[in-house]
Amino acid sequence: DTGVSQDPRHKITKRGQNVTFRCDPISEHNRLYWYRQTLGQGPEFLTYFQNEAQLEKSRLLSDRFSAERPKGSFSTLEIQRTEQGDSAMYLCASSSTGTASNEQFFGPGTRLTVL
Amino acid sequence: QKEVEQDPGPLSVPEGAIVSLNCTYSNSAFQYFMWYRQYSRKGPELLMYTYSSGNKEDGRFTAQVDKSSKYISLFIRDSQPSDSATYLCAMSEPGDDKIIFGKGTRLHILP
Repeated sequence: DTGVSQDPRHKITKRGQNVTFRCDPISEHNRLYWYRQTLGQGPEFLTYFQNEAQLEKSRLLSDRFSAERPKGSFSTLEIQRTEQGDSAMYLCASSSTGTASNEQFFGPGTRLTVL
Repeated sequence: QKEVEQDPGPLSVPEGAIVSLNCTYSNSAFQYFMWYRQYSRKGPELLMYTYSSGNKEDGRFTAQVDKSSKYISLFIRDSQPSDSATYLCAMSEPGDDKIIFGKGTRLHILP
């Protein structure tokens, strides 16, 4: 399977704990995006990378959230001191500057439940 | 007013019917328009991608963009039970890589 992959698919944690998610983009894609989706809503943009550079961050990305893409391949999203309001589906997408850059392909998501 | 408005449904239609899904938007700078399909507890899957105004057809799916009215549509012909999913409209501005999504419309195709 050469699509976007995310790990884990599900995460249940207690409030106050830290969690980290991983995203592996389509191999030839140099852009990687993180979105968050809550029940009954569309995905909301969090941040994106071109290669290893983080180019934009949403105001939704509080200082408890940090994302990295150290070698321009996979990315991690960490949430520190989780809160119940962080419960959501965290989606990763990738695209290539070689094609229409807005054509983003999504992974299956990581569903986070904070108890 | 949100940038992208989409009726959440649910919309139930009999198998074989033509389905019409719509979104309106307020940002005239949007030039790229997309439709994603999302099955329950899965990631969104890109269905249609169009630039600026006009129509695009792919199999049973037709996407229409009317920039003068700030209105986009997705038509599904010969609908099948497997088309039952949430359909998300999405759009973005040139030079801006983030996509703005609608809330999604839940569609049920009744056998």
